[in-house]
Amino acid sequence: AQTVTQSQPEMSVQEAETVTLSCTYDTSESDYYLFWYKQPPSRQMILVIRQEAYKQQNATENRFSVNFQKAAKSFSLKISDSQLGDAAMYFCAYRSVEDTGTASKLTFGTGTRLQVTL
Amino acid sequence: NAGVTQTPKFQVLKTGQSMTLQCAQDMNHEYMSWYRQDPGMGLRLIHYSVGAGITDQGEVPNGYNVSRSTTEDFPLRLLSAAPSQTSVYFCASSRTHRGRKSPLHFGNGTRLTVT
Repeated sequence: AQTVTQSQPEMSVQEAETVTLSCTYDTSESDYYLFWYKQPPSRQMILVIRQEAYKQQNATENRFSVNFQKAAKSFSLKISDSQLGDAAMYFCAYRSVEDTGTASKLTFGTGTRLQVTL
Repeated sequence: NAGVTQTPKFQVLKTGQSMTLQCAQDMNHEYMSWYRQDPGMGLRLIHYSVGAGITDQGEVPNGYNVSRSTTEDFPLRLLSAAPSQTSVYFCASSRTHRGRKSPLHFGNGTRLTVT
């Protein structure tokens, strides 16, 4: 079974600065998806960024980028030019490529709470 | 452009009561699922469905039932509520097809308290 570990329960960053959230995972599969989801106080789960394991290029979405190290099974999220609206809980998640059964599920880490200060 | 709609947003139950959490999606997604979110534990899969008429258990299915009579709807039933079922519940859906999957789309969650 796959596991996802987020070792930073809380992080803090000053507005306009850069912060990196860590995520490691364990799997025996060679192809899979990795995601970062943002959960603001509104409780909504918002997809921030997605990485497909077969792609060597790191995904980017505006101020958000990832450092995907497949051999190390590491998937960190970098937020540049942090804004007050980035304050939220961030979840790293893994999903198998397979179509069948529980392989379609997301396996989540326990989350990192990001505070953004002035 | 509703996406995934969950109702109600909040619910308080007494121990032993039953209720149904509703989930509907308008994106014609084959795959639908229910997760619960507890502090310090991330989200865990309760039940899922890969199409109308097909359901199966996830990691934490005890105390919950589901059905999938249509592609759009995937209700979650609590048969006899227990305090351990106090949690935030999320419904999520995605398109499934051979090859690459679409990301999971989440509803806005239901906060359930069992006293």
